[in-house]
Amino acid sequence: AQKVTQAQTEISVVEKEDVTLDCVYETRDTTYYLFWYKQPPSGELVFLIRRNSFDEQNEISGRYSWNFQKSTSSFNFTITASQVVDSAVYFCALIDQTGANNLFFGTGTRLTVIP
Amino acid sequence: NAGVMQNPRHLVRRRGQEARLRCSPMKGHSHVYWYRQLPEEGLKFMVYLQKENIIDESGMPKERFSAEFPKEGPSILRIQQVVRGDSAAYFCASSKNREGNYGYTFGSGTRLTVV
Repeated sequence: AQKVTQAQTEISVVEKEDVTLDCVYETRDTTYYLFWYKQPPSGELVFLIRRNSFDEQNEISGRYSWNFQKSTSSFNFTITASQVVDSAVYFCALIDQTGANNLFFGTGTRLTVIP
Repeated sequence: NAGVMQNPRHLVRRRGQEARLRCSPMKGHSHVYWYRQLPEEGLKFMVYLQKENIIDESGMPKERFSAEFPKEGPSILRIQQVVRGDSAAYFCASSKNREGNYGYTFGSGTRLTVV
């Protein structure tokens, strides 16, 4: 069965600190996609990244970077030099072939960046 | 190129009334998904539709909830005889293909409050 675990419920950091949000997933399929979404206080869901299971290259986009490790079934997200605008709930999600119709979401990590 | 449009943003209903939530997918997207987010929780899949067809409703409560995606017009999620436990944020997403490997685009959600 599919499962996405975000063990960190809440994290607080001081502005300009780096922070890593953990995501561990479970799937029996060899083909799957992993996602990160941001939900700011306004409530909408903002797509951040999609990664397929055959691409283990780490990715960097500005202050954001993602570390995908199939060996540990993890897809962690790092924000470098955090800013107050990064304060949000961040969701990791998985879609695989078995549950091909829908995304399985983790319970989210609430990040608070303190000025 | 408008994104996924959901309306209303906020909806208040008294217990026993009906709630109708609307979702217009992105241009060029023919796959629509509805998710529910209960307070302080991640999103949970409800139903997946293509034009005029329900493909997967495995996440939909068996009673009072229904969804449609007519040939013309938006997708509608309908909740009859609402109860307090239906209070949640309801998100719609659309994709270009079934596998979603082009990514899912979410709307801003409809926040339903049952009083």
